Amino acid sequence: ETGVTQSPTHLIKTRGQQVTLRCSSQSGHNTVSWYQQALGQGPQFIFQYYREEENGRGNFPPRFSGLQFPNYSSELNVNALELDDSALYLCASSYSLAPASSYEQYFGPGTRLTVT
Amino acid sequence: GENVEQHPSTLSVQEGDSAVIKCTYSDSASNYFPWYKQELGKGPQLIIDIRSNVGEKKDQRIAVTLNKTAKHFSLHITETQPEDSAVYFCAALEDNFNKFYFGSGTKLNVKP
Repeated sequence: ETGVTQSPTHLIKTRGQQVTLRCSSQSGHNTVSWYQQALGQGPQFIFQYYREEENGRGNFPPRFSGLQFPNYSSELNVNALELDDSALYLCASSYSLAPASSYEQYFGPGTRLTVT
Repeated sequence: GENVEQHPSTLSVQEGDSAVIKCTYSDSASNYFPWYKQELGKGPQLIIDIRSNVGEKKDQRIAVTLNKTAKHFSLHITETQPEDSAVYFCAALEDNFNKFYFGSGTKLNVKP
């Protein structure tokens, strides 16, 4: 059984650019959540995808968007990057019987994004 | 929305001692409370969790207690070992909106 994987590990972008981060769910999981973790802080919920549909969103602007694919892998896209977007981006996968019913989440190692 | 507060922010204990980390939450609708351990350069690892219909759960040296009335829950680590040194996060699931809210973390240092 493979765990949650994310790519790339590190990324450096310039303000105003766009970035795509990728996540592969743990085998058997159908739900993916994305989090932003600033240095020294707890993860902040960005959004969740269940069976390819967005299923809950935190306080992040529309320039943060996502996709979930039929194999339950996922992408996080961030447009018009700002300096404050520099953070560790984590994805977490879980198994849900229905929307809004996921509990145990398993995190990937994260992608460290630096915006200069 | 939910607000989770975590204390202390840093905790230093001697190997073999116990460590306790406490969290409070604001939304009585929250019904699931996991704890995560995050080591440097890694993602958070689920170490124990508790649902709102249970008051206590134990797994070897780790236990979690939940007081729904007071809206607080705690992580207890007994017989601490140097490998327990990490940052620990509590979280609460706002079930109606399927959102997890995390505390700000506790850096645990276990001195050999």
